[in-house]
Amino acid sequence: GEEVAQTPKHLVRGEGQKAKLYCAPIKGHSYVFWYQQVLKNEFKFLISFQNENVFDETGMPKERFSAKCLPNSPCSLEIQATKLEDSAVYFCASSHHRPGTEAFFGQGTRLTVV
Amino acid sequence: DAKTTQPTSMDCAEGRAANLPCNHSTISGNEYVYWYRQIHSQGPQYIIHGLKNNETNEMASLIITEDRKSSTLILPHATLRDTAVYYCIVRVGWGNAGNMLTFGGGTRLMVKP
Repeated sequence: GEEVAQTPKHLVRGEGQKAKLYCAPIKGHSYVFWYQQVLKNEFKFLISFQNENVFDETGMPKERFSAKCLPNSPCSLEIQATKLEDSAVYFCASSHHRPGTEAFFGQGTRLTVV
Repeated sequence: DAKTTQPTSMDCAEGRAANLPCNHSTISGNEYVYWYRQIHSQGPQYIIHGLKNNETNEMASLIITEDRKSSTLILPHATLRDTAVYYCIVRVGWGNAGNMLTFGGGTRLMVKP
C-alpha cells in the first residue's frame, strides 16, 4: 500500500494484560521503525528492522517489550504485562532501502492502560 | 544524530510566510536536515529534507546556511491547517537508510486568522 497502516487505532488494557500492536509498512520499503510518544512532544525511538532482521534495538525496554517483522505479515510490537506508564501513542514508520530518503509514519495506536 | 535547537513556539498570520529556524551547530558532513510536522495527534508528516543545497517542494522551502550549522523551513503562505508542531531533525543520510530519526521538542506553530 501507499501508506503505513497501523492497527488498532485505540487499545485499552488493564494493568498486567498483554497488548499487541500491528504495522503494515509501505510496499517495497525495507525499514520499519517503532516510536513511543508519551507526552505530546516527546518521541522515543524503540526499535527498527531491516526486512525481518532487527536493525537497531537500542531504545527497546529490556523487559516486557518485543517486536517482530516476519515475511508476508504485518510487523508487530507486543507488550507483556502492561503498566500504567506504557500508556502512549505508538507510531510505526517505514522507509525505502536507499539512504537519504524520508520515512513515512502511520497514524499511530493509542494504548491506554487502566 | 546531532542535536537541534528550535524555538518552543511561534505565531504566524494566515497568508503570510512562516519562517521556522533550527540550529544544528554540531552537524556532521554526512547528516541530512529533515523537517517533519505533527498536526494535533496525527502521525508525523514528512515535509522536506536536504544536505547542503536549498530545497523546495510543493509544501515548503528549506534554506540551509553555507556552514550548515542552521536552517530555516519556509511555509510561503501559511494557512490555518499548517498549525502544528514542526520538528527539525538531523540524520545520517548515507551508509544505510536504517538510521533512526531523533525528535527534539519541536516548534509549535500557531497560524492565526
